[in-house]
Amino acid sequence: NAGVTQTPKFRILKIGQSMTLQCTQDMNHNYMYWYRQDPGMGLKLIYYSVGAGITDKGEVPNGYNVSRSTTEDFPLRLELAAPSQTSVYFCASSGTGRGETQYFGPGTRLLVL
Amino acid sequence: ILNVEQSPQSLHVQEGDSTNFTCSFPSSNFYALHWYRWETAKSPEALFVMTLNGDEKKKGRISATLNTKEGYSYLYIKGSQPEDSATYLCARRGSNYKLTFGKGTLLTVNP
Repeated sequence: NAGVTQTPKFRILKIGQSMTLQCTQDMNHNYMYWYRQDPGMGLKLIYYSVGAGITDKGEVPNGYNVSRSTTEDFPLRLELAAPSQTSVYFCASSGTGRGETQYFGPGTRLLVL
Repeated sequence: ILNVEQSPQSLHVQEGDSTNFTCSFPSSNFYALHWYRWETAKSPEALFVMTLNGDEKKKGRISATLNTKEGYSYLYIKGSQPEDSATYLCARRGSNYKLTFGKGTLLTVNP
């Protein structure tokens, strides 16, 4: 049982490049989330999904896209990378019950130069 | 209260001291309150999830209480150890599926 896994661990992008951050969970969770960590600002929600085929915007969705074709996978796509997207990105998942824990992946550190 | 607020922002204590932090949150449409422990360069680690007014949870030297009517939760650490040094995050879940996080309390325990 690996929990939530993310790849890559670290990536350097040039301005204008695109990339996909991968997230997979093996806990059969319906809910999945993407956050970014900004210094002094804590965790901000980018996008979330309540099940395969269903996604919705969080607080800071601009410059990102997501898809959820399976229960296990929730990739985050960065189009036209900008220096403002330099951050650490965390994927998380949880079950649907009221008291369910939200589990985090190990994070992807992205540097846009 | 419109957002999730944590206090203090940071805290330095000596090994062996007991300490506590506060999380304040909107009490309307409340579903759950989460506490996480977050070490530098790692991902947040879940400590507790509480849903009912008056809930108390305990894990080793760490415990938490919840007051949903007035919108606050306390996290207590008894006999702090250097390995307790981390940022402690709280997050509120409302009637949607999302968690709203506070900015955290940074705890440093000096040996």
